[in-house]
Amino acid sequence: DIVMTQTPLSSPVILGQPASISCRSSQSLVHSDGNTYLSWLQQRPGQPPRVLIYKISNRFSGVPDRFSGSGAGTDFTLKISRVEAEDVGVYYCMQATQFPWTFGQGTKVEIK
Amino acid sequence: QVQLVQSGAEVKKPGASVKVSCKTSGYTFSGNFIHWVRQAPGQGLEWLGRINPNSGGTDYAQSFQGRVTLTRDTSIATAYMELSRLISDDTGVYYCARADSYYFDNWGQGTLVTVSS
Repeated sequence: DIVMTQTPLSSPVILGQPASISCRSSQSLVHSDGNTYLSWLQQRPGQPPRVLIYKISNRFSGVPDRFSGSGAGTDFTLKISRVEAEDVGVYYCMQATQFPWTFGQGTKVEIK
Repeated sequence: QVQLVQSGAEVKKPGASVKVSCKTSGYTFSGNFIHWVRQAPGQGLEWLGRINPNSGGTDYAQSFQGRVTLTRDTSIATAYMELSRLISDDTGVYYCARADSYYFDNWGQGTLVTVSS
């Protein structure tokens, strides 16, 4: 199975300041079709997860543009340009390149 | 709009089975795979498997192979997840999620399954 490792596991941030989460996979996430199926999910307290970013850098419909994704191969990053109160929650990276689909451990973003 | 509505919370004894439903609406049921993901209390996300609502074909995570069964009823646009031989570590919230090719674009609200003697 592909292991997804996120850092940091906890990220206290000041409102209005940027935040960054890294995700590293144990093997390349480039699919045989040439795409890289790495997505980022946000889970607010008490809610199901929701997708923010898919295929490394594509923002899902309705996701604010302060969220951005980047990376390639085995190293990926989610950035929040200016953290808002509603961004509090746990963020997961997820790979869908190979079965079983696997998730990172999650990074808790909280306001400092 | 797309909706996935799951059945209510369950309490089961060790060794029993549980079946969770995921009723979909707002789109063509046969057009998207339905996946199931588990979240133990205070923990991360774990993929259980997926079903092709069109063919009924399934893929399962090896760690659940033999214990999980995914089915669907196309007449009522509903997917089901049955987990057998329950143990206390199976306690958690079980989610169904619709896949848009290789990511989840819609999730159910989650179903809490508690395994306790």
